[in-house]
Amino acid sequence: AQSVTQLDSHVSVSEGTPVLLRCNYSSSYSPSLFWYVQHPNKGLQLLLKYTSAATLVKGINGFEAEFKKSETSFHLTKPSAHMSDAAEYFCVAPGGDNFNKFYFGSGTKLNVKP
Amino acid sequence: GAVVSQHPSRVICKSGTSVKIECRSLDFQATTMFWYRQFPKKSLMLMATSNEGSKATYEQGVEKDKFLINHASLTLSTLTVTSAHPEDSSFYICSARERRGLANEQFFGPGTRLTVL
Repeated sequence: AQSVTQLDSHVSVSEGTPVLLRCNYSSSYSPSLFWYVQHPNKGLQLLLKYTSAATLVKGINGFEAEFKKSETSFHLTKPSAHMSDAAEYFCVAPGGDNFNKFYFGSGTKLNVKP
Repeated sequence: GAVVSQHPSRVICKSGTSVKIECRSLDFQATTMFWYRQFPKKSLMLMATSNEGSKATYEQGVEKDKFLINHASLTLSTLTVTSAHPEDSSFYICSARERRGLANEQFFGPGTRLTVL
């Protein structure tokens, strides 16, 4: 079954510095991967998704992620962090019989220091 | 487009009572809806898959008699937490897949915070 591992439960960066949130997937076949963001007491917002069209995926708010099959990784990056980026980030992989179920990584809480 | 709502946004109930949470797709038809549970400072755990007009399928370890799911129409799924106890307190989030959409694309509701006293 497909699963994702988020290696860091907490990441702290200073405003204006780069962000790297790590995600590794387990299956040899990965039809798609997603990154979602959840701000405190808010719902989930889709940041970006990989659907095998292009390995470098650009999302909203300046985030992007690169699918690397050789490393089974789909790390989320942003060149310059803003205070408003402070939130919980989830890497998500579809699973189940038809890949229509979403399985969430454990999440990474991003803290942005002034 | 592709908006999913949940009602109520938060609910407080007494132990032993039942609580119903609604999940609606506002501008699209959803053949499949999903229910997730999120404990404080934890990730989301898929509880069950709800298919319109048929019985829900539950993930391993989720009590189907405890968490009743009904998907009566293409725009509405309900989750009823029966005989709620304090350990059922959690953030419940639903998502919906569009009828003619991509198989692996889901739209999430804003969540319902349940507190059982």
